[in-house]
Amino acid sequence: DAMVIQNPRYQVTQFGKPVTLSCSQTLNHNVMYWYQQKSSQAPKLLFHYYDKDFNNEADTPDNFQSRRPNTSFCFLDIRSPGLGDAAMYLCATSTLIMSAGQGNYGYTFGSGTRLTVV
Amino acid sequence: DQQVKQNSPSLSVQEGRISILNCDYTNSMFDYFLWYKKYPAEGPTFLISISSIKDKNEDGRFTVFLNKSAKHLSLHIVPSQPGDSAVYFCAASGGSNYKLTFGKGTLLTVNP
Repeated sequence: DAMVIQNPRYQVTQFGKPVTLSCSQTLNHNVMYWYQQKSSQAPKLLFHYYDKDFNNEADTPDNFQSRRPNTSFCFLDIRSPGLGDAAMYLCATSTLIMSAGQGNYGYTFGSGTRLTVV
Repeated sequence: DQQVKQNSPSLSVQEGRISILNCDYTNSMFDYFLWYKKYPAEGPTFLISISSIKDKNEDGRFTVFLNKSAKHLSLHIVPSQPGDSAVYFCAASGGSNYKLTFGKGTLLTVNP
């Protein structure tokens, strides 16, 4: 089945130690997103790639960076994780064009990576 | 500034009854609305959507109603089943902007 896969499911990192989360997709979607979700809060968009074009949200801290080496993979790098960065990180993909059949830009989410900072 | 609001953090209903989840939005540019369902330790999964040119969309037990003048939408689940217990997120997008803005979610618990 076509899908979005995030690894690892759970990641524990030390305060200040760089960490990388990964996402891969078999849907061949143009757009890949990274969301941060803290408990009882709405998923917050950090950035997205339209093909190779990187789009940062205005309020995304510099501590967060991303790489998309090819269509299938996207990485989230946290340069110096703080306690406040502990959250669920969700990767998602979509098309650019709304199709009548899909009705939702084909938005597909991965299962997420739960990041703990100790 | 929260553009998509789900004011009820939780809702509890009996199996077989109707569940009604509400969502309000403030951005007039939003013209496409979606509901996602999320189980613990899983990513959100698409449930149902509605375009602003419609006021109702139905898919099996799930119906979404849109009231554009009130900037309000609701998700009705009839009949509710214990397997429907999850967090439900309302999301919206505007014009040709494919990015989604999410609400905080409502935890639905359906009691047997």
